[in-house]
Amino acid sequence: GNSVTQMEGPVTLSEEAFLTINCTYTATGYPSLFWYVQYPGEGLQLLLKATKADDKGSNKGFEATYRKETTSFHLEKGSVQVSDSAVYFCAPVNFNKFYFGSGTKLNVKP
Amino acid sequence: DTEVTQTPKHLVMGMTNKKSLKCEQHMGHRAMYWYKQKAKKPPELMFVYSYEKLSINESVPSRFSPECPNSSLLNLHLHALQPEDSALYLCASSQGETGGFGEKLFFGSGTQLSVL
Repeated sequence: GNSVTQMEGPVTLSEEAFLTINCTYTATGYPSLFWYVQYPGEGLQLLLKATKADDKGSNKGFEATYRKETTSFHLEKGSVQVSDSAVYFCAPVNFNKFYFGSGTKLNVKP
Repeated sequence: DTEVTQTPKHLVMGMTNKKSLKCEQHMGHRAMYWYKQKAKKPPELMFVYSYEKLSINESVPSRFSPECPNSSLLNLHLHALQPEDSALYLCASSQGETGGFGEKLFFGSGTQLSVL
């Protein structure tokens, strides 16, 4: 089965700081890799995805690269905003099974 | 319409009650999911329906009973729940089989369930 290790939060940054949230995974076969974001009181929303090795997913200034050799999918953003405050979940997926990481809470202060 | 709609948004029930959670999507998606999310925890997969048939049951207790009446609707019937079942219940859908094809999940906003 799949498993995910995400860096523990909360992560607290000032606006315009650089963000990295680490994610490593174990999975059978060749999973697709996803980052989801959950804002307070809401369901999860897809942030970005990558479906094969060396693919880079990107959206809203966030990026993550599928690193098969290190089984990692670290999330990065060059300049965070207060509106990025949320919980971020990493998820390797295959065969209809999404297993989410523990989530990393990000707090961005003005 | 790119939404997954869940009702009710909040539900309070006693341990002897019977209630149902409902989920609806009109995106033509053929896979639908139930997840359970406790506070400050990740969503945990409960059930997956693929083409209206139950394809995955993650060893969920029988007091939770899923139903997929048609390709747009997904229900979760609740009976004799325990206080520890209090959580946010999330419904999701995807176009078809996920994984290697990179299909993404669309989530509803969830039903916040409290069992007294």
